[in-house]
Amino acid sequence: DVKVTQSSRYLVKRTGEKVFLECVQDMDHENMFWYRQDPGLGLRLIYFSYDVKMKEKGDIPEGYSVSREKKERFSLILESASTNQTSMYLCASSLPLGLTNQPQHFGDGTRLSIL
Amino acid sequence: SQKIEQNSEALNIQEGKTATLTCNYTNYSPAYLQWYRQDPGRGPVFLLLIRENEKEKRKERLKVTFDTTLKQSLFHITASQPADSATYLCALPSSGGSYIPTFGRGTSLIVHP
Repeated sequence: DVKVTQSSRYLVKRTGEKVFLECVQDMDHENMFWYRQDPGLGLRLIYFSYDVKMKEKGDIPEGYSVSREKKERFSLILESASTNQTSMYLCASSLPLGLTNQPQHFGDGTRLSIL
Repeated sequence: SQKIEQNSEALNIQEGKTATLTCNYTNYSPAYLQWYRQDPGRGPVFLLLIRENEKEKRKERLKVTFDTTLKQSLFHITASQPADSATYLCALPSSGGSYIPTFGRGTSLIVHP
């Protein structure tokens, strides 16, 4: 079974702090993704990566950056945390997408609170 | 732009009945559609995929239909159990060529004993 592990289930940080969320997958997947999930808004894509050192902006990249130095690890960085970044953050991985329609495998999320 | 709609109201049913959830989409003709289950405080888990040339797909007590004319997928759980209570999300590959799934907001299913 694919395992996607997020480093923290719950995290509380202060406004203005630099926050790192870590995600590791153990299935040698090329693609990795970061989403945030908010009530009434559903899952929204922040960034994704289709290879080491490659990254693409998703729908809501403002205020975030990412790092993928190794294939199995994808980090989400909040450069200067703000209260509107309080949310559930979900990491996912998959084999290459396309007409082979690979499903995404999700971690259990990090519930981040910015005070 | 593509739009995915799932009923935001929770679906309440009695144990043993068939639950039917709806996913409607507009402005798009996806090659396939996926369904995921999400439990509170957990990440979504992939359940089923149905391709545009398939009318119906089954997996144990689950059945998915895909009507490309109506632009609609129905997700059925037969002989529902309280353990089936969760939020169910449909997802379509994005129309921009990246195939990254765009998710609906999900429908909460509550199965009463």
